[in-house]
Amino acid sequence: EIVMTQSPATLSVSPGERATLSCRASQSVSNNLAWYQQKPGQPPRLLIYGASTRATGIPARFSGSGSGIEFTLTISSLQSEDFAVYFCQHYNNWPPETFGQGTKVEIK
Amino acid sequence: QLLLQESGPGLVKPSETLSLTCTVSDDSLNRNNYYWGWIRQPPGKGLEWIGSLYYTGTTYSNPSLSSRVTMSVDTSKNHFSLHLRSVSAADTAVYYCARQSVTTIFGLLRRGWFDAWGQGTVVTVSS
Repeated sequence: EIVMTQSPATLSVSPGERATLSCRASQSVSNNLAWYQQKPGQPPRLLIYGASTRATGIPARFSGSGSGIEFTLTISSLQSEDFAVYFCQHYNNWPPETFGQGTKVEIK
Repeated sequence: QLLLQESGPGLVKPSETLSLTCTVSDDSLNRNNYYWGWIRQPPGKGLEWIGSLYYTGTTYSNPSLSSRVTMSVDTSKNHFSLHLRSVSAADTAVYYCARQSVTTIFGLLRRGWFDAWGQGTVVTVSS
């Protein structure tokens, strides 16, 4: 099983600032990685797939990068609606598809 | 816009079977360009993939749960189902159904990301 490790667990950011979230895989997943956003009481929402392709309707301030074992989700200028928990998920070698444990982005 | 809706009992007794159904708002269950998955989230924790199935009925499940999981699809009713046997308190979670994309990896069709999710249903295992 591929283990996905996200860091930091919590990220405190002021509105308008940049947020950088990391996801590391225990072995290479090529670019077969997705990012999701989850707000309290809601299901996850797909943000990025293929490590860097934005899903339909996702604002350009969200960008993904990386390949192999190291990946980054960047939110260029945090808006109030972006404070949430973010998960990465690989879909390279499976089963199982596995998720990271999440990074909570909170208001500083 | 595709809608997915989970349904089933919110309370299950230990050692019994948890059964959930996901109803899809259109006929996309019949299409060969998606898988359909179940994911759960224990209170305050992360996401765990339970399993996915294809419209043909082929199923894939998490090895950690596979001995207790059965999944099925009924395309005529636009729904697919999950059965988890011999539940315990550790199975208490929000259960989500989701549409899973088909992608190509090394030239082969594979399961990918989850691009549409139900709202989730809370299942508590307790006597």
